[in-house]
Amino acid sequence: AIQMTQSPSSLSASVGDRVTITCRASQGIGNDLAWYQQKPGKAPKLLIYAASNLQSGVPSRFSGSGSGTDFTLTISSLQPEDFATYYCLQDYNFPFTFGQGTKLEIK
Amino acid sequence: QVQLQESGPGVVKPPETLSLTCTVSGGSTTSYYWSWIRQSPGEGLEWIGYIYYNGSTKYNPSLKNRVTISIDTSKNQFSLELNSVTAADTAIYYCARTIPPDYWGQGALVTVSS
Repeated sequence: AIQMTQSPSSLSASVGDRVTITCRASQGIGNDLAWYQQKPGKAPKLLIYAASNLQSGVPSRFSGSGSGTDFTLTISSLQPEDFATYYCLQDYNFPFTFGQGTKLEIK
Repeated sequence: QVQLQESGPGVVKPPETLSLTCTVSGGSTTSYYWSWIRQSPGEGLEWIGYIYYNGSTKYNPSLKNRVTISIDTSKNQFSLELNSVTAADTAIYYCARTIPPDYWGQGALVTVSS
Protein backbone atom coordinates (compact mmCIF):
# COMPACT_ATOMS: atom_id res chain seq x y z
CA ALA A 1 0.00 0.00 0.00
CA ILE A 2 1.10 3.56 -0.66
CA GLN A 3 2.19 5.32 2.52
CA MET A 4 1.24 8.93 3.09
CA THR A 5 3.40 10.94 5.48
CA GLN A 6 2.22 14.30 6.75
CA SER A 7 4.31 16.97 8.39
CA PRO A 8 4.21 18.39 10.88
CA SER A 9 2.16 16.13 13.14
CA SER A 10 1.05 19.16 15.11
CA LEU A 11 1.26 22.87 14.62
CA SER A 12 0.52 25.91 16.79
CA ALA A 13 -0.53 29.08 15.01
CA SER A 14 -2.45 32.30 15.55
CA VAL A 15 -5.53 33.74 13.89
CA GLY A 16 -4.42 35.49 10.71
CA ASP A 17 -1.33 33.35 10.19
CA ARG A 18 -0.49 31.65 6.92
CA VAL A 19 -0.09 27.90 7.46
CA THR A 20 1.27 25.14 5.23
CA ILE A 21 0.88 21.40 5.77
CA THR A 22 2.84 18.90 3.71
CA CYS A 23 1.96 15.39 2.55
CA ARG A 24 4.44 13.04 0.91
CA ALA A 25 3.53 9.82 -0.89
CA SER A 26 5.80 6.77 -0.88
CA GLN A 27 5.42 6.57 -4.67
CA GLY A 28 4.07 8.83 -7.39
CA ILE A 29 0.30 9.35 -7.33
CA GLY A 30 -0.15 11.91 -10.08
CA ASN A 31 -2.58 14.48 -8.70
CA ASP A 32 -4.89 11.96 -6.99
CA LEU A 33 -4.68 13.65 -3.61
CA ALA A 34 -7.43 15.07 -1.41
CA TRP A 35 -7.36 17.10 1.81
CA TYR A 36 -9.82 16.82 4.68
CA GLN A 37 -10.55 18.79 7.81
CA GLN A 38 -11.87 16.98 10.89
CA LYS A 39 -13.21 18.48 14.09
CA PRO A 40 -13.74 16.46 17.29
CA GLY A 41 -16.75 14.18 17.13
CA LYS A 42 -17.38 14.93 13.45
CA ALA A 43 -16.73 13.17 10.16
CA PRO A 44 -13.95 14.46 7.93
CA LYS A 45 -14.92 17.28 5.58
CA LEU A 46 -13.58 17.41 2.02
CA LEU A 47 -11.62 20.60 1.33
CA ILE A 48 -9.54 19.89 -1.78
CA TYR A 49 -9.67 17.14 -4.42
CA ALA A 50 -7.36 16.31 -7.33
CA ALA A 51 -4.55 18.11 -5.44
CA SER A 52 -5.68 21.65 -6.17
CA ASN A 53 -9.44 21.78 -6.76
CA LEU A 54 -11.47 23.56 -4.10
CA GLN A 55 -14.58 21.64 -3.05
CA SER A 56 -17.82 23.57 -3.44
CA GLY A 57 -18.59 25.72 -0.42
CA VAL A 58 -15.05 25.67 0.99
CA PRO A 59 -13.56 29.14 1.65
CA SER A 60 -10.97 30.36 -0.82
CA ARG A 61 -8.36 30.80 1.93
CA PHE A 62 -7.77 27.05 1.52
CA SER A 63 -5.60 25.98 -1.40
CA GLY A 64 -3.73 22.88 -2.45
CA SER A 65 -0.78 22.22 -4.72
CA GLY A 66 1.62 19.52 -5.80
CA SER A 67 1.83 16.44 -7.95
CA GLY A 68 3.74 13.18 -8.01
CA THR A 69 4.90 12.60 -4.45
CA ASP A 70 4.83 16.01 -2.73
CA PHE A 71 1.74 18.01 -1.89
CA THR A 72 0.83 20.99 0.26
CA LEU A 73 -2.29 22.41 1.85
CA THR A 74 -2.13 26.14 2.56
CA ILE A 75 -4.48 28.22 4.67
CA SER A 76 -3.78 31.82 3.73
CA SER A 77 -5.20 33.52 6.82
CA LEU A 78 -6.25 31.32 9.72
CA GLN A 79 -9.73 31.81 11.11
CA PRO A 80 -10.92 30.57 14.53
CA GLU A 81 -13.00 27.83 12.90
CA ASP A 82 -9.92 26.41 11.11
CA PHE A 83 -8.40 24.89 14.26
CA ALA A 84 -8.86 21.19 13.62
CA THR A 85 -7.02 18.11 12.39
CA TYR A 86 -6.15 17.85 8.70
CA TYR A 87 -5.64 14.67 6.69
CA CYS A 88 -4.43 13.93 3.20
CA LEU A 89 -5.82 11.00 1.20
CA GLN A 90 -4.42 9.31 -1.90
CA ASP A 91 -7.03 7.84 -4.22
CA TYR A 92 -4.58 6.82 -6.93
CA ASN A 93 -4.17 3.17 -5.99
CA PHE A 94 -6.37 0.94 -3.85
CA PRO A 95 -6.24 0.52 -0.91
CA PHE A 96 -6.65 4.28 -0.69
CA THR A 97 -4.65 5.57 2.25
CA PHE A 98 -4.71 8.56 4.56
CA GLY A 99 -1.91 10.47 6.19
CA GLN A 100 -1.62 10.27 9.96
CA GLY A 101 -3.02 13.77 10.44
CA THR A 102 -1.81 17.23 11.39
CA LYS A 103 -3.39 18.80 14.45
CA LEU A 104 -3.63 22.56 14.12
CA GLU A 105 -3.86 24.26 17.49
CA ILE A 106 -4.26 27.82 18.68
CA LYS A 107 -1.04 29.45 19.84
CA GLN B 1 -28.87 17.75 0.46
CA VAL B 2 -27.40 14.26 0.52
CA GLN B 3 -27.31 12.63 3.94
CA LEU B 4 -25.88 9.29 5.05
CA GLN B 5 -26.73 7.56 8.32
CA GLU B 6 -25.02 4.50 9.78
CA SER B 7 -27.01 2.05 11.90
CA GLY B 8 -26.22 -1.16 13.72
CA PRO B 9 -25.14 -2.61 17.06
CA GLY B 10 -22.73 -0.56 19.14
CA VAL B 11 -21.19 -3.62 20.79
CA VAL B 12 -20.10 -6.86 19.13
CA LYS B 13 -18.58 -9.88 20.85
CA PRO B 14 -15.49 -11.54 19.49
CA PRO B 15 -15.37 -13.53 17.21
CA GLU B 16 -18.85 -12.60 15.95
CA THR B 17 -19.78 -10.55 12.89
CA LEU B 18 -20.02 -6.77 12.82
CA SER B 19 -22.95 -5.60 10.67
CA LEU B 20 -23.71 -2.00 9.74
CA THR B 21 -26.11 -0.41 7.29
CA CYS B 22 -25.87 3.01 5.68
CA THR B 23 -29.09 4.68 4.62
CA VAL B 24 -28.82 7.38 1.97
CA SER B 25 -31.33 10.21 1.74
CA GLY B 26 -31.51 13.19 -0.59
CA GLY B 27 -29.77 11.21 -3.32
CA SER B 28 -29.77 7.84 -5.05
CA THR B 29 -27.48 4.83 -4.68
CA THR B 30 -27.98 4.07 -8.41
CA SER B 31 -24.82 5.99 -9.16
CA TYR B 32 -21.48 6.73 -7.48
CA TYR B 33 -19.15 4.59 -5.41
CA TRP B 34 -20.15 3.92 -1.80
CA SER B 35 -17.51 3.28 0.83
CA TRP B 36 -16.90 2.16 4.38
CA ILE B 37 -14.04 3.82 6.25
CA ARG B 38 -13.10 3.38 9.89
CA GLN B 39 -11.15 5.42 12.40
CA SER B 40 -9.44 4.24 15.54
CA PRO B 41 -6.94 5.99 17.80
CA GLY B 42 -4.25 3.45 17.05
CA GLU B 43 -4.71 3.02 13.30
CA GLY B 44 -6.01 6.40 12.17
CA LEU B 45 -8.30 6.45 9.15
CA GLU B 46 -8.51 3.16 7.25
CA TRP B 47 -10.42 2.54 4.04
CA ILE B 48 -12.30 -0.76 4.42
CA GLY B 49 -13.72 -1.06 0.92
CA TYR B 50 -16.23 0.25 -1.56
CA ILE B 51 -19.07 -0.86 -3.79
CA TYR B 52 -20.28 0.53 -7.08
CA TYR B 53 -24.00 0.85 -7.69
CA ASN B 54 -23.83 -2.16 -10.04
CA GLY B 55 -22.53 -4.33 -7.19
CA SER B 56 -18.83 -4.51 -8.03
CA THR B 57 -16.66 -4.31 -4.93
CA LYS B 58 -13.11 -3.66 -3.78
CA TYR B 59 -11.82 -4.61 -0.32
CA ASN B 60 -8.71 -3.67 1.62
CA PRO B 61 -6.36 -6.69 1.62
CA SER B 62 -5.36 -5.83 5.21
CA LEU B 63 -8.72 -7.16 6.36
CA LYS B 64 -7.83 -10.61 5.09
CA ASN B 65 -11.09 -11.57 3.37
CA ARG B 66 -13.23 -10.80 6.42
CA VAL B 67 -15.23 -8.07 4.67
CA THR B 68 -18.38 -8.09 2.60
CA ILE B 69 -20.07 -4.93 1.28
CA SER B 70 -23.46 -5.14 -0.39
CA ILE B 71 -25.96 -2.67 -1.82
CA ASP B 72 -29.75 -2.54 -2.02
CA THR B 73 -30.65 0.23 -4.42
CA SER B 74 -34.39 -0.36 -3.88
CA LYS B 75 -33.94 0.68 -0.24
CA ASN B 76 -31.21 3.24 -0.98
CA GLN B 77 -28.92 1.40 1.44
CA PHE B 78 -25.57 -0.31 1.46
CA SER B 79 -24.14 -2.54 4.15
CA LEU B 80 -20.93 -3.76 5.75
CA GLU B 81 -20.22 -7.14 7.29
CA LEU B 82 -16.91 -7.79 9.03
CA ASN B 83 -16.54 -11.27 10.44
CA SER B 84 -14.30 -12.82 13.10
CA VAL B 85 -13.92 -9.48 14.89
CA THR B 86 -11.34 -8.82 17.58
CA ALA B 87 -10.68 -5.86 19.87
CA ALA B 88 -8.56 -4.38 17.07
CA ASP B 89 -11.78 -3.80 15.08
CA THR B 90 -13.08 -1.36 17.69
CA ALA B 91 -13.47 1.93 15.83
CA ILE B 92 -15.80 4.58 14.53
CA TYR B 93 -17.22 3.30 11.25
CA TYR B 94 -18.17 5.81 8.56
CA CYS B 95 -20.09 5.34 5.36
CA ALA B 96 -19.31 7.76 2.55
CA ARG B 97 -20.15 8.67 -1.02
CA THR B 98 -17.84 8.71 -4.05
CA ILE B 99 -14.06 8.87 -4.33
CA PRO B 100 -12.70 10.97 -2.77
CA PRO B 101 -15.62 10.98 -0.36
CA ASP B 102 -17.66 14.18 -0.44
CA TYR B 103 -20.52 13.16 1.84
CA TRP B 104 -20.02 11.15 5.03
CA GLY B 105 -22.27 9.70 7.68
CA GLN B 106 -21.89 10.96 11.23
CA GLY B 107 -20.07 7.77 12.20
CA ALA B 108 -21.02 4.77 14.34
CA LEU B 109 -18.86 3.71 17.27
CA VAL B 110 -18.53 -0.06 17.38
CA THR B 111 -16.85 -1.64 20.37
CA VAL B 112 -15.69 -5.24 20.21
CA SER B 113 -15.86 -6.69 23.70
CA SER B 114 -16.97 -9.88 25.38
